[in-house]
Amino acid sequence: GENVEQHPSTLSVQEGDSAVIKCTYSDSASNYFPWYKQELGKRPQLIIDIRSNVGEKKDQRIAVTLNKTAKHFSLHITETQPEDSAVYFCAASSGNQFYFGTGTSLTVIP
Amino acid sequence: GAVVSQHPSWVICKSGTSVKIECRSLDFQATTMFWYRQFPKQSLMLMATSNEGSKATYEQGVEKDKFLINHASLTLSTLTVTSAHPEDSSFYICSAPRQGDQPQHFGDGTRLSIL
Repeated sequence: GENVEQHPSTLSVQEGDSAVIKCTYSDSASNYFPWYKQELGKRPQLIIDIRSNVGEKKDQRIAVTLNKTAKHFSLHITETQPEDSAVYFCAASSGNQFYFGTGTSLTVIP
Repeated sequence: GAVVSQHPSWVICKSGTSVKIECRSLDFQATTMFWYRQFPKQSLMLMATSNEGSKATYEQGVEKDKFLINHASLTLSTLTVTSAHPEDSSFYICSAPRQGDQPQHFGDGTRLSIL
């Protein structure tokens, strides 16, 4: 089955700096890669996603890049704000079933 | 707004009690729903996939008789934790994809605390 690895597990950045979270996957059949933000005790919220036919996608301060050959994809958050502090999960899917990364706890220091 | 409703949001009960958690798709029909368990500071672990009108598919290591899943209609799936014990305490979350769409929509989760 699919194996998704995510790094780093914790990340602290100063407000205004950029944050980058990286994931790798093993199954070349995976074709959909969403990123979720989860605040403590709440449900994961989809923040951005990318499909395998696209190399990069951007939505305001958030961007995702995908390298199919290397089987890795990354989340980039620019101009970080304290409200960006949360746990972020990547996932890979080749159909309805998702395989989640282990999560990254992001802390933005004011 | 939410497209998947899950309740209860928080349950505290004594050891040996069975607890039922409901997951509803609000404005779409979900032939498939997923149940996850999340321990503190850990990722979401898929427990089982519920399929409307047929038996659920359980992940390896998940006890079928312990975690009963029923997907009785196209908008409702239930997870029953039978004879719950303290080690079953966790955050349980359901999710469902819209038909023809890939993103999963999560319920608000149920925090289960077994005393």
